[in-house]
Amino acid sequence: QQQVKQSPQSLIVQKGGISIINCAYENTAFDYFPWYQQFPGKGPALLIAIRPDVSEKKEGRFTISFNKSAKQFSLHIMDSQPGDSATYFCAASRVNRDDKIIFGKGTRLHILP
Amino acid sequence: GAVVSQHPSRVICKSGTSVKIECRSLDFQATTMFWYRQFPKQSLMLMATSNEGSKATYEQGVEKDKFLINHASLTLSTLTVTSAHPEDSSFYICSAREGGSSYNEQFFGPGTRLTVL
Repeated sequence: QQQVKQSPQSLIVQKGGISIINCAYENTAFDYFPWYQQFPGKGPALLIAIRPDVSEKKEGRFTISFNKSAKQFSLHIMDSQPGDSATYFCAASRVNRDDKIIFGKGTRLHILP
Repeated sequence: GAVVSQHPSRVICKSGTSVKIECRSLDFQATTMFWYRQFPKQSLMLMATSNEGSKATYEQGVEKDKFLINHASLTLSTLTVTSAHPEDSSFYICSAREGGSSYNEQFFGPGTRLTVL
């Protein structure tokens, strides 16, 4: 059972455009939702994270929108740049429980120059 | 941010041999370390969780006798792939966390590419 479903699998966006990646989760016990960015041959790095008590979090060009009732959250990358080309993983975990991060399957984002 | 290193970055070995991968937290003490494997174009799959000084907790389906994990200090964890076979070829990534809460960020290492011939 896939606990965190991520879409699309791949995404191509023009430079300057908005990249949107969506995720849905099933376990209502999840209470921490990070997004990771991974470049080829490298480990993932935390990009931005949100807790379910807020509906939106913005850091620079990156925004997480969170819909608790729909059990969905999304990453928006504004003014997308070629340097943003990477694989993005949404994830979820339960704080103070088993602490495991459950990753989505990833979205390969390519920004056209 | 905090830095996690892995060594080696790449290793090629013959089938049947054992390979040790080191994971170090360079500027913080890691209460918990995690080991993941990642196949090409796939997501990260958690293999095991280790806390300093105690036995690792393995995920279902991960052979503990094949993937030996030692978390001997607050800055070092090792993963030994014993009797490696070609199907063990993968990208192995560790992460480290200071403190016991999931709200404490996990910092990921750069990964180790294992190729078993």
